[in-house]
Amino acid sequence: QVPLVQSGAEVKKPGSSVKVSCKASGVSFSSFSVTWVRQAPGQGLEWVGNIIPVFRSTNYAQRFQGRVTITADESTSTAYLELTSLTSEDTAVYYCARPCRTSTLDCWGQGTLVSVSS
Amino acid sequence: EVVLTQSPGTLSLSPGERATLSCRASQSFSSTHLAWYQQKPGQAPRLLIFGTSNRAPGIPDRFSGSGSGTDFTLSISGLEPEDFAVYYCQQYDTSLTFGGGTKVEI
Repeated sequence: QVPLVQSGAEVKKPGSSVKVSCKASGVSFSSFSVTWVRQAPGQGLEWVGNIIPVFRSTNYAQRFQGRVTITADESTSTAYLELTSLTSEDTAVYYCARPCRTSTLDCWGQGTLVSVSS
Repeated sequence: EVVLTQSPGTLSLSPGERATLSCRASQSFSSTHLAWYQQKPGQAPRLLIFGTSNRAPGIPDRFSGSGSGTDFTLSISGLEPEDFAVYYCQQYDTSLTFGGGTKVEI
């Protein structure tokens, strides 16, 4: 059983928005932070933000403030990342991750490729 | 923001050799909140070490971590063919940041 399963690849136009989902299974969902990390082609890992579902509390990286919204639906154990005003620089693989058996990100989704192109 | 600088950018070694990877922080933070990840092409990162020196479940004991304050190290004793990958350090003390990565290549 895969703990985190993400939605499929997206192709978007510049200026549009994208919403990526991350469904948890086999693990307690509400009490643990779900983190979103992205990786542009050939680049390193970049933290986008996180949510603690039970508190609905969120934290976002400064560079995404105003463009990103992370939400969670406890009834379906699913977290969402929405990014607006997309540019080509947002082309990346977006990962969700969370603690499963340690204090940090030891469970990862398979990644969702978001491509932004006109 | 805590900036993490990894060195070297690339490490060229042979199987069986020892790898020593460095992660330096722009400010001191609790060693409880330093982790290391391995990433192979086309795969999600895999947690190796958390809390500076604790191996994640299933991680072989040839991987070890050490350090405190602003200087942290990941060591791999006796490189196996499957260890050639990119390694990232991460702090989760103040928000969350990653280092730029070190590629370990043959």
